[in-house]
Amino acid sequence: DAGITQSPRYKITETGRQVTLMCHQTWSHSYMFWYRQDLGHGLRLIYYSAAADITDKGEVPDGYVVSRSKTENFPLTLESATRSQTSVYFCASSDGRFSGANVLTFGAGSRLTVL
Amino acid sequence: AQSVAQPEDQVNVAEGNPLTVKCTYSVSGNPYLFWYVQYPNRGLQFLLKYITGDNLVKGSYGFEAEFNKSQTSFHLKKPSALVSDSALYFCAVRETGANNLFFGTGTRLTVIP
Repeated sequence: DAGITQSPRYKITETGRQVTLMCHQTWSHSYMFWYRQDLGHGLRLIYYSAAADITDKGEVPDGYVVSRSKTENFPLTLESATRSQTSVYFCASSDGRFSGANVLTFGAGSRLTVL
Repeated sequence: AQSVAQPEDQVNVAEGNPLTVKCTYSVSGNPYLFWYVQYPNRGLQFLLKYITGDNLVKGSYGFEAEFNKSQTSFHLKKPSALVSDSALYFCAVRETGANNLFFGTGTRLTVIP
């Protein structure tokens, strides 16, 4: 199906383990984003990418790594998970047209619990 | 620096009554303003946006928002609330020339039958 898909939808892991959350979009959008959603904080930007092989930090990048070797994929890796990274993670994409006015389309989210 | 505030964590309204969800923002230049809605266990969905021009913006599902530059506000409104409007609503802002979209903390709207 066309759209933006995230996997896994639910993940439980232990402190110190590496976790990768996957994001795939079928629109060939140039921009992709990772947000985390926490109670009292709303959505905070972790990393974003303007195109393949171009990534940049957002508000809360510490403890996360991203890559974008292909336009359609934007995986997010927690190299050594901590309990503070328990959250719901949302991937989003946009086509970059009209610059700042472009609309983000979100995936369904990945709920990560770190024990 | 850009920021956005949603002063109410929770808004309750009776079905059929008008609803307002408040949002104020702070940016250095001209803002792009957005409203998104999140239903349970779903990603955020775009409702409407303000770029320039008419201060009253109409969006999906009968929602509208009014841009007020002097009060730096972008309140979401609907003339007659439906039970199905119950959801989490997020206001967001982006400065001209910036890539980041900053979100508020969200307002949970409950429409009471």
